[in-house]
Amino acid sequence: EPEVTQTPSHQVTQMGQEVILRCVPISNHLYFYWYRQILGQKVEFLVSFYNNEISEKSEIFDDQFSVERPDGSNFTLKIRSTKLEDSAMYFCASRVPGTRNTGELFFGEGSRLTVL
Amino acid sequence: DQQVKQNSPSLSVQEGRISILNCDYTNSMFDYFLWYKKYPAEGPTFLISISSIKDKNEDGRFTVFLNKSAKHLSLHIVPSQPGDSAVYFCAASATNAGNMLTFGGGTRLMVKP
Repeated sequence: EPEVTQTPSHQVTQMGQEVILRCVPISNHLYFYWYRQILGQKVEFLVSFYNNEISEKSEIFDDQFSVERPDGSNFTLKIRSTKLEDSAMYFCASRVPGTRNTGELFFGEGSRLTVL
Repeated sequence: DQQVKQNSPSLSVQEGRISILNCDYTNSMFDYFLWYKKYPAEGPTFLISISSIKDKNEDGRFTVFLNKSAKHLSLHIVPSQPGDSAVYFCAASATNAGNMLTFGGGTRLMVKP
């Protein structure tokens, strides 16, 4: 069964360092998302991406965050200068075109980011 | 921000019995609701959804009920199996709010053999 894959599974970084989280969405999917879950808290929407541009972003997704799809397969989330509060599990998700706009997202297993 | 709330952080049920997971929402603009299941060290997995034009949707052992006037939805699992033990997230979206899913805090279901 096709799946969304994420790397790394766990990254430990120092505060102020740049981090890139990578995702390979399911191949025929066209809509891509990043969500995050801080330990003990809710899963929160960060950003959605379609047709090589951001379609929506939340208040969390400030200037420190960026996304891109550099080569038509990978979908990356970059945090330019990490803060302690960026420590969380980051989930990539994707969906096929034609489904209800937010239904049936396929999530990856997550990348755990620990900022020290 | 408590637009979607799952008031029970955990639920324990005997195998073979019914599991009922509840979810409340406050935003009347929400018109599409979903349940996701999450095992440890895995991402959420889509289970079942319901549009606001319906009050019930069934898929095998899973049924979602929507009560729009009460802004309440529930997920019924019948019969419950030990493999159903996981964290269940309720999520909601609004057509005019684009792609964003708003999640509840999750309910940890434990099905005892």
